[in-house]
Amino acid sequence: EVQLVESGGGLVQPGGSLRLSCAASGFTFGSYAMSWVRQAPGKGLEWVSTISGSGYTTYYADSVKGRFTISRDNPKNTLYLQMNSLRAEDAAVYYCAKHGPGGWTTWFDTWGQGTLVTVSS
Amino acid sequence: DIQMTQSPSSLSASVGDRVTITCRASQGINNYLAWYQQKPGKVPKLLIYAASTLQSGVPSRFSGSGSGTDFTLTISSLQPEDVATFYCQNYNSAPYTFGQGTKLEIK
Repeated sequence: EVQLVESGGGLVQPGGSLRLSCAASGFTFGSYAMSWVRQAPGKGLEWVSTISGSGYTTYYADSVKGRFTISRDNPKNTLYLQMNSLRAEDAAVYYCAKHGPGGWTTWFDTWGQGTLVTVSS
Repeated sequence: DIQMTQSPSSLSASVGDRVTITCRASQGINNYLAWYQQKPGKVPKLLIYAASTLQSGVPSRFSGSGSGTDFTLTISSLQPEDVATFYCQNYNSAPYTFGQGTKLEIK
């Protein structure tokens, strides 16, 4: 069974940093692109970042470019999101999502349960 | 960047009704369009990809159509368990934008 489990969320002050992790199982992790998607309380889905299966290609939303870094450790089957210079508007549930077969221009076929990030002083 | 616009933003329908949600892309995305369902308090779930391909395990009352800039999600006979917010998504090119969502309720 394909499974994604996020961790690392919590309360952080504005300007602070946090690293999210997503542990994957049930599929050949390095063969699939992965993404992070966030959802602020009561709001819609916002795509954050995508990384190719090899890790060589990455994409970011303009809202996080220069502050967030997506990475992956394929031998450890783990996806990461390093978040720096956090702002109040970054507060959200962060989901990791697995892409379908065929690279990064594919749909998100599996989602994790999400981890909550709260940014407040 | 490609903008995705859904309509309506919300709708209320009766059990058994045929329900249609539309999604328009600001530029052509071929058929690189997915639909997701998010039930209250739950994780988003893939319903349809490539504009019209039903994800495994999704009930056949859901269907998708369209190509280019105009897309449609149809529920042929609304069931009580279909109460949810539905999102379309462009995955033709980054940023992989979502529509603003359509909240579906039972009348």
